Amino acid sequence: GQQLNQSPQSMFIQEGEDVSMNCTSSSIFNTWLWYKQDPGEGPVLLIALYKAGELTSNGRLTAQFGITRKDSFLNISASIPSDVGIYFCAGQLGYGGSQGNLIFGKGTKLSVKP
Amino acid sequence: KAGVTQTPRYLIKTRGQQVTLSCSPISGHRSVSWYQQTPGQGLQFLFEYFSETQRNKGNFPGRFSGRQFSNSRSEMNVSTLELGDSALYLCASSLGPPEEYGYTFGSGTRLTVV
Repeated sequence: GQQLNQSPQSMFIQEGEDVSMNCTSSSIFNTWLWYKQDPGEGPVLLIALYKAGELTSNGRLTAQFGITRKDSFLNISASIPSDVGIYFCAGQLGYGGSQGNLIFGKGTKLSVKP
Repeated sequence: KAGVTQTPRYLIKTRGQQVTLSCSPISGHRSVSWYQQTPGQGLQFLFEYFSETQRNKGNFPGRFSGRQFSNSRSEMNVSTLELGDSALYLCASSLGPPEEYGYTFGSGTRLTVV
């Protein structure tokens, strides 16, 4: 089946640092989404991207839909303690039928540097 | 506005038993999708229901089934439970086709099979 390669798998952040993570695929996606999941909760949508090249911000978060439509990245600027959690990328191949399901990356776990 | 409600939150079952999980979507949402989340496989699509009809199905064995009622509430059933079915089961609702409207996830049901 389709797979999304998300990296890094985990990272440690210090308050105030910028953070970057990305997702790549061998398939072309119609939509890229970025979610955050806190312990014991379901994923919450952070940013949705619908067009190749699109750059979208949500507060300190910025995400881009790659020009090739096979990748996306998420940046978090000036990280704060509540940014810890697991970030997932997800893609949709298209519209209708099985194209509409979300395919998820394995996640990037953000933790605070000890 | 109430979010997506999943019951129960936690469940422990024995191998061979069957289990039914429930999901109440956001009021007015007609699409309900189910995902399985495990540490090894990540988030994987189970199925999607729209207006009481199964619209999409993922690559899971026939032991996994679901249905949607006229009030859009959905249930999923797993028969003949196996140890590997232990997972967080997430329900997500959408106003219409999720590829057009996006998802809102519930907090999940944590199923442990012993």
